[in-house]
Amino acid sequence: DQQVKQNSPSLSVQEGRISILNCDYTNSMFDYFLWYKKYPAEGPTFLISISSIKDKNEDGRFTVFLNKSAKHLSLHIVPSQPGDSAVYFCAASGSNSGYALNFGKGTSLLVTP
Amino acid sequence: ETGVTQSPTHLIKTRGQQVTLRCSSQSGHNTVSWYQQALGQGPQFIFQYYREEENGRGNFPPRFSGLQFPNYSSELNVNALELDDSALYLCASSLLAGGQVNEQFFGPGTRLTVL
Repeated sequence: DQQVKQNSPSLSVQEGRISILNCDYTNSMFDYFLWYKKYPAEGPTFLISISSIKDKNEDGRFTVFLNKSAKHLSLHIVPSQPGDSAVYFCAASGSNSGYALNFGKGTSLLVTP
Repeated sequence: ETGVTQSPTHLIKTRGQQVTLRCSSQSGHNTVSWYQQALGQGPQFIFQYYREEENGRGNFPPRFSGLQFPNYSSELNVNALELDDSALYLCASSLLAGGQVNEQFFGPGTRLTVL
């Protein structure tokens, strides 16, 4: 069963605009959430994370929002740059899962000039 | 600081064979996790090793086994290979301290093809 879902397989955004990537989860025991970026032929690269005790975490152009009641998180990239074009994975973990990361299927972001 | 490295980069095997994949952790990390990423899917957790012992396992059969060495490097062994084992195998290292969750840092992966 897919406990972390990314319902948009792809997203296209113009350079300079905001990119919003969404993620939903079903397991209420998850308490830590991460976003990874993956380029072809490379492993996933850690981007940003958020603990369930927070509802927002910001790092430069990247902001993650967590809505625990809706079991929903989103990654905002502002402004988007062509180098941001990659596959973005949402992941979740919790102490009951031994800190294993549960990944979504990914969203392919294309930022066009 | 050395990142996570994996070897080999690519591997081709036939059904029924056995394979060993290797991973070197990022310096300062004491935990290694292995993931399988099939085409078009997100990575799926196989197992995690901490202090040379298995510290959690995903929904994978016993023919998937592993080892962690005193220097925190790790091996993933897969016996009796099946066609569906064709995937990208990712190793991730992290620091588990005081029961605190930390980010996992991934290597570039090993692309396994089973014919």
